Amino acid sequence: LAKTTQPISMDSYEGQEVNITCSHNNIATNDYITWYQQFPSQGPRFIIQGYKTKVTNEVASLFIPADRKSSTLSLPRVSLSDTAVYYCLVGPGSGAGSYQLTFGKGTKLSVIP
Amino acid sequence: EPEVTQTPSHQVTQMGQEVILRCVPISNHLYFYWYRQILGQKVEFLVSFYNNEISEKSEIFDDQFSVERPDGSNFTLKIRSTKLEDSAMYFCASTPVYNEQFFGPGTRLTVL
Repeated sequence: LAKTTQPISMDSYEGQEVNITCSHNNIATNDYITWYQQFPSQGPRFIIQGYKTKVTNEVASLFIPADRKSSTLSLPRVSLSDTAVYYCLVGPGSGAGSYQLTFGKGTKLSVIP
Repeated sequence: EPEVTQTPSHQVTQMGQEVILRCVPISNHLYFYWYRQILGQKVEFLVSFYNNEISEKSEIFDDQFSVERPDGSNFTLKIRSTKLEDSAMYFCASTPVYNEQFFGPGTRLTVL
């Protein structure tokens, strides 16, 4: 499994754009990059998944450079409710069926009023 | 929107007792999982279940643990003889064919 490295914590003011970068130097050709969000005392929640270039949904954008050795989760105009831990995961993508998710320590994002 | 549910939300038990944690995955999902998270630590994979049998299990999932899908809706995790170190949040997750896993709210297990 490809190892991921992301900052332990980040602070941001409300209304700002937040970019969280994840390194995954040993990503395999068939691996996807997936981000989950976890609030205290809740289960992780899927945010976004991508393979290359850029993916955008109603919550976030995911930027993946051509070499795919890193990725950046972008949260536009964060609010206090975005305070959470954000996990970057690398592994088989859609259609892989049964696949265990391997979580790291994640990035604890604190949004300040 | 369909969601994974788990009961109870909090379970307190004495060391050595058996506990059963219950989950109702999203209907029409095919793959089911249990994860746990010890306070302040990472979310750890325990076991995956498909077609009424275990697909994968981690080193944590030893003989004290078992899973079952007793009917068409419930998915249970049993710990036969709880230890202090089993105290954690236990999350159930389910997924259709695709990789996005839908997690339940968790059961907080406290072993005294």
